Amino acid sequence: DAGVIQSPRHEVTEMGQEVTLRCKPISGHDYLFWYRQTMMRGLELLIYFNNNVPIDDSGMPEDRFSAKMPNASFSTLKIQPSEPRDSAVYFCASRLAGAGETQYFGPGTRLLVL
Amino acid sequence: DAKTTQPTSMDCAEGRAANLPCNHSTISGNEYVYWYRQIHSQGPQYIIHGLKNNETNEMASLIITEDRKSSTLILPHATLRDTAVYYCINPYGGSQGNLIFGKGTKLSVKP
Repeated sequence: DAGVIQSPRHEVTEMGQEVTLRCKPISGHDYLFWYRQTMMRGLELLIYFNNNVPIDDSGMPEDRFSAKMPNASFSTLKIQPSEPRDSAVYFCASRLAGAGETQYFGPGTRLLVL
Repeated sequence: DAKTTQPTSMDCAEGRAANLPCNHSTISGNEYVYWYRQIHSQGPQYIIHGLKNNETNEMASLIITEDRKSSTLILPHATLRDTAVYYCINPYGGSQGNLIFGKGTKLSVKP
């Protein structure tokens, strides 16, 4: 069974450009999470969804970041406009309801903003 | 901030047991302890979790002290592929979406 799928795996863009990261959770999972990892701040939760509805977006750094989940099999994290400090690895994870905090992570998208 | 404390790094010889400690002295009665690991350039991977009884699965064993203030993750026969950062996590009060990753323990398995 396929795990969490993220695309692209690597993204290089210039400051000011729009960046869209994509995630396909494991089929049947009710929860989807977006994390960001940097050397300075470690792994941080940005936002999570339950049944396609955003539940907690308190980790989203600022209005330049937005996330959507139009259906149970797809989510996007958008940064507009991007800045060099957004350079990080972005992970998507999913889990089943009732599975505690057993989350399954994707391989991540490595973003570099020049 | 993470509610757990772990050593920054540890070494282990290949084939030997790796014992990774974690302190979670503020844990509440209904809170679990979760362990994840992150191999270089990969996403975090769930290992095991427990409430108060010791737990074992195909990856590892988890030993939780009787007072639940600390635990130890045991990799019984460490291999080079077990080199990773290991995170001990105490999600807040059972609330969902609250995996707070601290700095973890960098385990280096050496030949």
